[in-house]
Amino acid sequence: GAVVSQHPSRVICKSGTSVKIECRSLDFQATTMFWYRQFPKQSLMLMATSNEGSKATYEQGVEKDKFLINHASLTLSTLTVTSAHPEDSSFYICSARDRRDSNQPQHFGDGTRLSIL
Amino acid sequence: KQEVTQIPAALSVPEGENLVLNCSFTDSAIYNLQWFRQDPGKGLTSLLLIQSSQREQTSGRLNASLDKSSGRSTLYIAASQPGDSATYLCAAISSNTGKLIFGQGTTLQVKP
Repeated sequence: GAVVSQHPSRVICKSGTSVKIECRSLDFQATTMFWYRQFPKQSLMLMATSNEGSKATYEQGVEKDKFLINHASLTLSTLTVTSAHPEDSSFYICSARDRRDSNQPQHFGDGTRLSIL
Repeated sequence: KQEVTQIPAALSVPEGENLVLNCSFTDSAIYNLQWFRQDPGKGLTSLLLIQSSQREQTSGRLNASLDKSSGRSTLYIAASQPGDSATYLCAAISSNTGKLIFGQGTTLQVKP
């Protein structure tokens, strides 16, 4: 089946560091990818929709300068948390939809656990 | 604005019991509804997807139903096993926005 690879799976870094998370669709092309954030014991909250070849669409309350999204190809989207602080510590998950069939479900990565010291 | 609610938030049952997890959504204009499983510290595993034109989907011991008019979906797990212990999330794709909106999840513990 379709697979979405997310890397790295875990990051621990100092406050002020910028962290890049990659989301790749391995056996399909995705014009649209999604980035979610999940706090402990809470549900997933959509942060932004990543569109190949154009600017990402951010949800209300999500700082676009803080969370930079690049979707330069049909199989790769990246999320960069700039100048990360402890409050950015969270579980980040991406998903992708196969461009050939919008009726198919989104396929999710395994997530990235970000811990800012 | 679509809101998805799951009840109960947590559930503990003995092994072998049949159980039902509930999901409700406020906007009936959905494209489809999905049920996911999430193990602690892990990503999501898609269990079942129900298109808006369907009423139910089955996979093994799992059966999901959808009633758009009442804004409800249920996930039925038959003969529960300790390996079923996880958090179950339902999510609806809005027909208007195409966005996947998640419920808060139900954390299930099946005791041996």
